[in-house]
Amino acid sequence: NAGVTQTPKFRILKIGQSMTLQCTQDMNHNYMYWYRQDPGMGLKLIYYSVGAGITDKGEVPNGYNVSRSTTEDFPLRLELAAPSQTSVYFCASSPYGYSNQPQHFGDGTRLSIL
Amino acid sequence: ELKVEQNPLFLSMQEGKNYTIYCNYSTTSDRLYWYRQDPGKSLESLFVLLSNGAVKQEGRLMASLDTKARLSTLHITAAVHDLSATYFCAVDLHSGGGADGLTFGKGTHLIIQP
Repeated sequence: NAGVTQTPKFRILKIGQSMTLQCTQDMNHNYMYWYRQDPGMGLKLIYYSVGAGITDKGEVPNGYNVSRSTTEDFPLRLELAAPSQTSVYFCASSPYGYSNQPQHFGDGTRLSIL
Repeated sequence: ELKVEQNPLFLSMQEGKNYTIYCNYSTTSDRLYWYRQDPGKSLESLFVLLSNGAVKQEGRLMASLDTKARLSTLHITAAVHDLSATYFCAVDLHSGGGADGLTFGKGTHLIIQP
């Protein structure tokens, strides 16, 4: 199993450009999440989804949008890139309901905005 | 707002020594996770602690949870160089399924020297 797959792995954007970070999982997990990790810091939740068609804001949603049209995919959209969005972005998924399973993380997308 | 504090944030220790990393959190939660992150890599799940008094061990690492004190510990026994990494604790705000995402500590950067 591939688990959680993120693309691209690296990207450099100019200020004001837009892009979509892709995330797909093959574990049939209902819950999916987007986090960002700034240098030397822990992860902060951007958006999450409890199933197809349902999304909600996390701690730091400003400047981002998400959609969840299928169980497998949870893309993150940056509309007008700003230097403050330079970060490493991690997508994660977890099983439905009360579970003793941890969240499973992708390898991350390293994004620089110049 | 849930706050998760780890200490120390940086730890340099010698091989063969024992040490403990502490994780305090500010609101009631009965699920706590420990993750490991190597430089430039994703997060690897180490432990899932689901109830008060939970203790789990894997190799030289042992984690415990005291929900009344809102404290988790990660104990390292007879450290070896391969355990050098950054260790994060994370708390699930709601116990009903992990839907709302995790709140992470800032991480403990651990260096184990020969």
